[in-house]
Amino acid sequence: GAGVSQSPSNKVTEKGKDVELRCDPISGHTALYWYRQSLGQGLEFLIYFQGNSAPDKSGLPSDRFSAERTGGSVSTLTIQRTQQEDSAVYLCASSLTMGYTFGSGTRLTVV
Amino acid sequence: GQQLNQSPQSMFIQEGEDVSMNCTSSSIFNTWLWYKQDPGEGPVLLIALYKAGELTSNGRLTAQFGITRKDSFLNISASIPSDVGIYFCAGQLSIGNEKLTFGTGTRLTIIP
Repeated sequence: GAGVSQSPSNKVTEKGKDVELRCDPISGHTALYWYRQSLGQGLEFLIYFQGNSAPDKSGLPSDRFSAERTGGSVSTLTIQRTQQEDSAVYLCASSLTMGYTFGSGTRLTVV
Repeated sequence: GQQLNQSPQSMFIQEGEDVSMNCTSSSIFNTWLWYKQDPGEGPVLLIALYKAGELTSNGRLTAQFGITRKDSFLNISASIPSDVGIYFCAGQLSIGNEKLTFGTGTRLTIIP
């Protein structure tokens, strides 16, 4: 597509439930990133996929967080047993050579 | 996770004023980037810097890559209402596809 598409744009979930956030990168972009932005904060790196290489998961805050990228395209970020501190905007970005293009994010609220 | 020190946290200025913000790090970066984020949107790249000492302009925006490779600044001249938003610096260890370390952001507000 023309840009990075994320869904849903907003998600409210109960504490303890699992959630899945989806990212459709720009077609042909080999790199895909997930970042988390808490209220009033900068962006915190979560995970990075590059082609067929093993992902860089060094930013995932706990084992409740996981992500996969199927067929080198769409990515899903899964948060299991959500906690209130997981509330944030989750941003996805993709790139080909340099310079990210970000999606508009998914605003997750855990109540 | 690691974040860069960005200042000021917020700025309240009048239209037409110049703006300056900066970013410092304890680590060396080989690429510095500046992004702007509007409400409800993802950040958009404004300027990318690839060489220590480099000074780059993009319209009313000017950014510099510090000589020590541990800092960068962004200037906006003659601010206009559409400049309102949050500005983030970001550092990258190498050019190309790699994770970015972001600053904490500078929120720019223009007072009517």
